[in-house]
Amino acid sequence: GALVYQYPRRTICKSGTSMRMECQAVGFQATSVAWYRQSPQKTFELIALSTVNSAIKYEQNFTQEKFPISHPNLSFSSMTVLNAYLEDRGLYLCGARGQASAETLYFGSGTRLTVL
Amino acid sequence: GDSVTQKQGQVTLSEDDFLFINCTYSTTTYPTLFWYVQYPGQGPQLLLKVTTANNKGISRGFEATYDKGTTSFHLQKASVQESDSAVYFCALVEDTGNYKYVFGAGTRLKVIA
Repeated sequence: GALVYQYPRRTICKSGTSMRMECQAVGFQATSVAWYRQSPQKTFELIALSTVNSAIKYEQNFTQEKFPISHPNLSFSSMTVLNAYLEDRGLYLCGARGQASAETLYFGSGTRLTVL
Repeated sequence: GDSVTQKQGQVTLSEDDFLFINCTYSTTTYPTLFWYVQYPGQGPQLLLKVTTANNKGISRGFEATYDKGTTSFHLQKASVQESDSAVYFCALVEDTGNYKYVFGAGTRLKVIA
């Protein structure tokens, strides 16, 4: 079946530093990866949608300068939170979809970011 | 823009009770509708999806009918168990090919043994 792994599961960083999180699709080819941030206040915020061989589309309030994303192949994506501050706290979720069931997103367990 | 509304923030039931979680949506497209379930410490898991209006999705005892007339996709289960305690999210994705999901705010289900 389709599985998505995210690591690290949890990370703590000092304010102003950066951290990188990774997303691995297993059992299917992730033609598209969506990165979300989940917080109690805003539930799911779409950060960006990355499709292999296409430009990454960032949502309003999220920029490549702050959340650079790499999606080099059909099984892997990574995102970095640059210069993290308190408002960047939350659970970062990677949702991947393949060609077989193109409209379905399969999520990883997320990377929980704490900023001190 | 598109939206998904879940009126209930939290639902508390006893085991074997009937579950009903409200979900309505608004869109100008012909979306695919989903229910995702999120257990503590985990990411959302697909529970069921329905791509065509007036069809019903069934999974693990849960069911939801894509009602285009009332623009609703309520989740039901005849008899809940303590293990069903989780947060349930209703979501839609447009049929436009951009695969942009819109999620509801979520409904936390607590089932008491």
